[in-house]
Amino acid sequence: KAGVTQTPRYLIKTRGQQVTLSCSPISGHRSVSWYQQTPGQGLQFLFEYFSETQRNKGNFPGRFSGRQFSNSRSEMNVSTLELGDSALYLCASSTREGANYYQNTDTQYFGPGTRLTVL
Amino acid sequence: ELKVEQNPLFLSMQEGKNYTIYCNYSTTSDRLYWYRQDPGKSLESLFVLLSNGAVKQEGRLMASLDTKARLSTLHITAAVHDLSATYFCAVGYSRNQFYFGTGTSLTVIP
Repeated sequence: KAGVTQTPRYLIKTRGQQVTLSCSPISGHRSVSWYQQTPGQGLQFLFEYFSETQRNKGNFPGRFSGRQFSNSRSEMNVSTLELGDSALYLCASSTREGANYYQNTDTQYFGPGTRLTVL
Repeated sequence: ELKVEQNPLFLSMQEGKNYTIYCNYSTTSDRLYWYRQDPGKSLESLFVLLSNGAVKQEGRLMASLDTKARLSTLHITAAVHDLSATYFCAVGYSRNQFYFGTGTSLTVIP
């Protein structure tokens, strides 16, 4: 079974620009979560999508947004890029069917990440 | 806000030795995940611990969970070089959110 794929793997942008990252989950997985990983803040949850709906959201500004398509592929968008947005962006997929955390016991499978550098 | 603390942050150990990584979290949760990340790579799931007292073992790694103490441990037995990586714990919380620890960078020296 193919793993989680993310494109592009590397991206360089300048401040003020916007960027779109893509994630294709493992076949059959309908939950896609996005994380930001930086040396200073570690791994932080951005949001989770399930069946084209955002189910959960972390504590990030509105510049960070996402969407999910009917085939479960997901995109995240960051507008008006800032230097602090430089990070590794990871997406993870799972079969997590229930909206409530206690209903879900499976693990998440992470993609290779997109390394975003903002100059 | 839930806080997850790992210690140590950096660990250098000799091959053949044993050591334990600790993961403390601040708010009640009954599930704990351990991941491994190699340099430049993504996260690989190691263990899922779903109840108080849960213990799981895979090769030289053993993970346990004490929900009363809000503590999970990852024990390394007779370390080998291949175990060199960064290890993260993650605590599951309401609404499918996961809070990750700071990570422990492990280097196993021959």
